[in-house]
Amino acid sequence: QQQVKQSPQSLIVQKGGIPIINCAYENTAFDYFPWYQQFPGKGPALLIAIRPDVSEKKEGRFTISFNKSAKQFSLHIMDSQPGDSATYFCAARMNTGFQKLVFGTGTRLLVSP
Amino acid sequence: DAGITQSPRHKVTETGTPVTLRCHQTENHRYMYWYRQDPGHGLRLIHYSYGVKDTDKGEVSDGYSVSRSKTEDFLLTLESATSSQTSVYFCAISGRQGSDEQYFGPGTRLTVT
Repeated sequence: QQQVKQSPQSLIVQKGGIPIINCAYENTAFDYFPWYQQFPGKGPALLIAIRPDVSEKKEGRFTISFNKSAKQFSLHIMDSQPGDSATYFCAARMNTGFQKLVFGTGTRLLVSP
Repeated sequence: DAGITQSPRHKVTETGTPVTLRCHQTENHRYMYWYRQDPGHGLRLIHYSYGVKDTDKGEVSDGYSVSRSKTEDFLLTLESATSSQTSVYFCAISGRQGSDEQYFGPGTRLTVT
């Protein structure tokens, strides 16, 4: 129940394409769902996050779609660029008061020129 | 990296040797975390701290101990390193007023031979 399942494991798209990364969870006590972006040799950095009271959030070219009934959420990258090539992690946090995150296993995205 | 430093950045050690990794923050955040990152597993929480001398276990705490004697420092100790502890270790902080974000440090690559 603590898990967050992420797919696909890896993804290759052409420049301008729209990669979609999916995550699913079981525990309805999760109340915050961030996405992190990680470049090789660096720590993860928050990209965008959503709470379950909204179905979609956009920040620039990045959009989270959230389906509360299905317990799924996904990251869409519009007009993807080679600079978006990175590993992306979804995560979820329980509303326990401590800010502990449970992470998905990551998706390695390659955007070809 | 949001005022977080980790030391050392790289370390090679032998099985059975004690190892201490240090995380230092200049942000005065309340919460600090240690994660390990391994291929196929994403980021897994080892231990976390919710204040000076207040720590608790995460999902993969066996073989690790932590200490937090000052707000700014969080130490992770491997009492007797094993090859299964070869990993990249990330420190994270959170707790800025009005923010859910966890900020990650640059990581420490530890190899146990």
